[in-house]
Formats: sequence, C-alpha cells, structure tokens
Amino acid sequence: GGIITQTPKFLIGQEGQKLTLKCQQNFNHDTMYWYRQDSGKGLRLIYYSITENDLQKGDLSEGYDASREKKSSFSLTVTSAQKNEMAVFLCASTQGARAEQFFGPGTRLTVL
Amino acid sequence: QQQVRQSPQSLTVWEGETAILNCSYENSAFDYFPWYQQFPGEGPALLISILSVSNKKEDGRFTIFFNKREKKLSLHIADSQPGDSATYFCAAGIGGSNAKLTFGKGTKLSVKS
Repeated sequence: GGIITQTPKFLIGQEGQKLTLKCQQNFNHDTMYWYRQDSGKGLRLIYYSITENDLQKGDLSEGYDASREKKSSFSLTVTSAQKNEMAVFLCASTQGARAEQFFGPGTRLTVL
Repeated sequence: QQQVRQSPQSLTVWEGETAILNCSYENSAFDYFPWYQQFPGEGPALLISILSVSNKKEDGRFTIFFNKREKKLSLHIADSQPGDSATYFCAAGIGGSNAKLTFGKGTKLSVKS
C-alpha cells in the first residue's frame, strides 16, 4: 500500500499573496495531479505530470504554477490569491491511464 | 462545456432501498468510467469502474449499468446503508498514455434509517 500526504491541511492567505501547496506520494507512481474542488462543482484539473520534470496544463491552470521536483513530490503555487476564495485542493497519483487514481486528504484554502 | 453530467445533484433514500445515480457523457472517445466515493473531509476513493466494452459491472452491492449507444451509465447501490451516505463522482477517461479523467459534479447521497 501507499499514502499521499498533503501539506498544509489548512491554508489561510491574504489577497494577492503567493501560496504553495505540497504533495508527497510513496506509491512510486509516475503520474500526479492537482485538482480544485469547489462546492457543487466537482473536481477540476489544474495541472498534471506524467513523469518527473513534466508538466501538463489542465482546464483550470490560469492563476497557478506547478512543479514536479522529483517522482514522489508535486507542488502547486497559487500565484496571486483571490479574496473570498475558498476551495479544497486535492492531489492524486496513478500508475496508468485506466489505473485507479489515489487521492490525498486535501488542502483547504481560505483567502481573507 | 460540461463533458460529464450527473443527476440528481442530491438524493435521499431509506435504508434498504436501491439508490440510482445517473451519469451521461458527450465525448465518444471516453472508454473508461470509474465511480469515486467521497466522505466529508476526505479525498475521493475509487468505488467501482467499467470499460466501454462491457454493459454491466457488479461489485457486491454496487452495480454499474452502461449504455454506449446513449452515452449513459448509472450506479445502483442495492440495500443502501447509512454508511453509504457520501458524494459520488462519475468520471470518464480515454485509454492510452494520457491518464486524464474528466469528473462530473457529483451526487450527494443521504441514506436515512
């Protein structure tokens, strides 16, 4: 088995601030993802990475940067936090196109 | 453009009843359809999945019915239990090297005892 760890669990930021979320997996999976989950809107893909140093934009990449420093870690940066923004950011990993995506517990972002 | 649609948005059933959650999609290239279950405060977890070559997949109390011609599928939860209360996401993917899923907005299921 394996686990996905996301830090921090809760993140409170100020408008305009640059914020970084981190994700670690010990499955040894090649592909990792960042999703944004808003209430009533399901999961929307921000960025994904099919291997170390690879980055692919999802449907919601504007306003975000990502970095796949090594196989086990994938970071997401909110480049300029928007006031009243509130969402959960989920990290996931998988080993193949039809393989299960395993999700972390999420980072809950609040922007004041 | 919502490529994967789910209905209803929320559903309440009594314990022991069968809950039916619906999903439809637009892209004919989708050939892999997993359903994820999410409890509050947790990330989604894979519940059951089906490939487009099949029209039915069962796993215990959970069954997927798939209609390729109509681009529709449904998740049936038999003998619903209060512990099944969660949000269920239908997702769709394309086989091959691009391991990318498109998720629906989810159905929130409440099972009353």
